[in-house]
This record gives sequence, C-alpha cells and structure tokens, in this order.
Amino acid sequence: EAGVVQSPRYKIIEKKQPVAFWCNPISGHNTLYWYLQNLGQGPELLIRYENEEAVDDSQLPKDRFSAERLKGVDSTLKIQPAELGDSAVYLCASSGESGEGYEQYFGPGTRLTVT
Amino acid sequence: DAKTTQPTSMDCAEGRAANLPCNHSTISGNEYVYWYRQIHSQGPQYIIHGLKNNETNEMASLIITEDRKSSTLILPHATLRDTAVYYCIVRPHLGTGNQFYFGTGTSLTVIP
Repeated sequence: EAGVVQSPRYKIIEKKQPVAFWCNPISGHNTLYWYLQNLGQGPELLIRYENEEAVDDSQLPKDRFSAERLKGVDSTLKIQPAELGDSAVYLCASSGESGEGYEQYFGPGTRLTVT
Repeated sequence: DAKTTQPTSMDCAEGRAANLPCNHSTISGNEYVYWYRQIHSQGPQYIIHGLKNNETNEMASLIITEDRKSSTLILPHATLRDTAVYYCIVRPHLGTGNQFYFGTGTSLTVIP
C-alpha cells in the first residue's frame, strides 16, 4: 500500500514569491493534516481536514497561508508571499477510522528554503 | 501544549536495549501514551501506544507505570537504523480531532 505522497521534496524560492505544496494521502483516509516543522523542533499542526472540510485551522497564519482539499482527497498548501521565517519542513499526514488508535501516517515532507 | 517531558538526548550501544523514558505526570484517565519516531529527513513514524497495560509489538515495548505518570519505550536490540528522534505524546484515544503535541523529543544515537 502506498504511503502519504508529498511533492516537491525540496523547494528553494526567493522571499515574496509564492509557493505551493501538494499532498496525496493514503487511500481511504478521510482526515488530512498539514504540519510545520522548524529545525530542532517537533511538528506543529497548521490545519486539519475531515474530508473536504477544514475543521481546525486555528494555527494557520491566514494572512499568507491557504490550503484546500478539493473532493476530499488531495490537498494543497500555499504560501503567498513567502517570508524568510517560513523556511521549514512542511509535513502532510493522514489518518482513517480503521483500527483503534487513529494513528497518523506521515509523508516525507517538503523542505522549503526561502532566500 | 506538550504534556510530556523527555531527555533531550541519549546514546545506546548497538545490540543493547534502548530504554527511553517519558514523564507525563498530568495525564488524564482517558489519555493514551503514544510513541512516534522520526528518522533524519523522514516524516514521523508511529511506533506503539498504550493506556495502562504494557504493550509490545514488532518494533518495541511500552511499559507504563501503575500510576500512569511515566512510561518507558524499550527497543530490545537497538540497531544503527534506530538512530532517530523519539516523541512521547499523550492524547485522548478516540477521535481524530485531538492533536498530537510532539514537543522536542529524545534524540537517540545508536553507537556501533
């Protein structure tokens, strides 16, 4: 079974430019998460989707960040315009209702460098 | 807000058991203990979870104290591939709405 797929794996952009990250969750997983991970820190939740609905976006900086999950499958996270402080790894995760634990399955992440 | 306390780093000799402690003194009755690990340049990976009984799977064992205020993740025979950051997380079990607060974890280095 394929895991969570993210692209691109690496992205280098200049500040003030836009950037977008794509995530394809595990098939059948209704819940999708975007996390931000700064160097030396654990992941921090940005937004959580249940199907196509964003049910928790309280940590998403809405002035420059946006996300969508059309049709409740793939998701895109966008930053416009990017700032130097946005340099980080952006992780996507998904979870389903199978099993007991609702464990989250993570993709490899996109490492963003803003210059 | 992180509800757990872990040592910043630990070393373990290859082939020996790695015992990673976690304190969660404010854990609630409905909260489970989860462990994840993150190998360099990869996303976090689920290892194991438990409520109050000790748990074991193919990756590790989880020992939870009787008062549930602390736990230990045991990797019985550490290999070089177990070098990673290990996160101890407490959260209610049911419902995907409950966040995983990862904290900074324990950086485990397995030494040849």
